[in-house]
Amino acid sequence: GQQLNQSPQSMFIQEGEDVSMNCTSSSIFNTWLWYKQDPGEGPVLLIALYKAGELTSNGRLTAQFGITRKDSFLNISASIPSDVGIYFCAGQLGDRGSTLGRLYFGRGTQLTVWP
Amino acid sequence: DGGITQSPKYLFRKEGQNVTLSCEQNLNHDAMYWYRQDPGQGLRLIYYSQIVNDFQKGDIAEGYSVSREKKESFPLTVTSAQKNPTAFYLCASSIDRDTPGYTFGSGTRLTVV
Repeated sequence: GQQLNQSPQSMFIQEGEDVSMNCTSSSIFNTWLWYKQDPGEGPVLLIALYKAGELTSNGRLTAQFGITRKDSFLNISASIPSDVGIYFCAGQLGDRGSTLGRLYFGRGTQLTVWP
Repeated sequence: DGGITQSPKYLFRKEGQNVTLSCEQNLNHDAMYWYRQDPGQGLRLIYYSQIVNDFQKGDIAEGYSVSREKKESFPLTVTSAQKNPTAFYLCASSIDRDTPGYTFGSGTRLTVV
């Protein structure tokens, strides 16, 4: 299957700091998504990106769809304790109607925020 | 409220026994998916179904089986052939195979002893 390389694997930061994580692929994706997973729960969609170069914000979160269509970035500004969790990138290959429409996931970034 | 429900939340089974994990959605989504999550390994696709009565193997299908007799339901059976079944299992659905973004259930933690 497709490999998404997500980094860093884990981050330990203090409340109020900004956070950056990224995801790269050897393949071109048509869509990039970012999910957050709280402990013991399923991932929840944070941001979806549909066009190369697109920059989208959701509150303190900002994500970008890389120009090459092979990478994406997520930034969290002024972190708070409830930002703790695992953040996953996901990408979708393929054109509409193809069987390549499934999502591929990165291995996740575990974020810990110290008060 | 529409959503996707996985049950039970925690499941314990003896080695060698088959076990079935439930996944039900009332979102009227066509596509459904099963993922396995192990620490540090991310989400790995087991099986997916894009339409009723049809399903495809994902990346780690060995030792698992599924059925899709109804649009709303996509149960996963972990068979005794699965060598290392203890994991967190996540079910997801999407409107169709072309629409990006899955809705996930809250997961089932299976422990085999």
